[in-house]
Amino acid sequence: GQNIDQPTEMTATEGAIVQINCTYQTSGFNGLFWYQQHAGEAPTFLSYNVLDGLEEKGRFSSFLSRSKGYSYLLLKELQMKDSASYLCAVQTGANNLFFGTGTRLTVIP
Amino acid sequence: NAGVMQNPRHLVRRRGQEARLRCSPMKGHSHVYWYRQLPEEGLKFMVYLQKENIIDESGMPKERFSAEFPKEGPSILRIQQVVRGDSAAYFCASSLASSTDTQYFGPGTRLTVL
Repeated sequence: GQNIDQPTEMTATEGAIVQINCTYQTSGFNGLFWYQQHAGEAPTFLSYNVLDGLEEKGRFSSFLSRSKGYSYLLLKELQMKDSASYLCAVQTGANNLFFGTGTRLTVIP
Repeated sequence: NAGVMQNPRHLVRRRGQEARLRCSPMKGHSHVYWYRQLPEEGLKFMVYLQKENIIDESGMPKERFSAEFPKEGPSILRIQQVVRGDSAAYFCASSLASSTDTQYFGPGTRLTVL
């Protein structure tokens, strides 16, 4: 079967750095996506990894190791507006995204 | 450039009624996906469509649910004879040219079945 594991909740302090981990076992792999979702809103695209290594985009970076079935999202210089759910999703061999249940990040002053 | 649009944003139905959810993809996008999100759960894939074709409906219940993406107009997700368990947020996403392109999501339709 297919499975994506992420921590359910995390708390971090404004200005700090937080790493959100994601491990996956899927029937196919065409890439891994991270989305941000504020409560009651649409998921918004953050990053995409298909090759091993680190992709950096401003305050956000995402890492992938395909051999380990592992990814992380790194958020630097946390801001209060970063409080949201972060969704790890794998593009499987089929035509869709397989999502984890998401990590709810709370940023505190 | 408008993003993915969905309407209505909120929909209330009584058990046994029909629900119609609409999705207009981003301009230039010809691939549409529907996902369902239950409270405290992850997004679950339902169906993938291109214009006038259902490509993959492996995540959609066989009964009561149907989807279409006509040549003209929005994609429609139709739920007949709704039950309380259908209450969820339904998100539509679109991608540009293939199923491996980045999917961009609409704001969702929150369906409540009384």
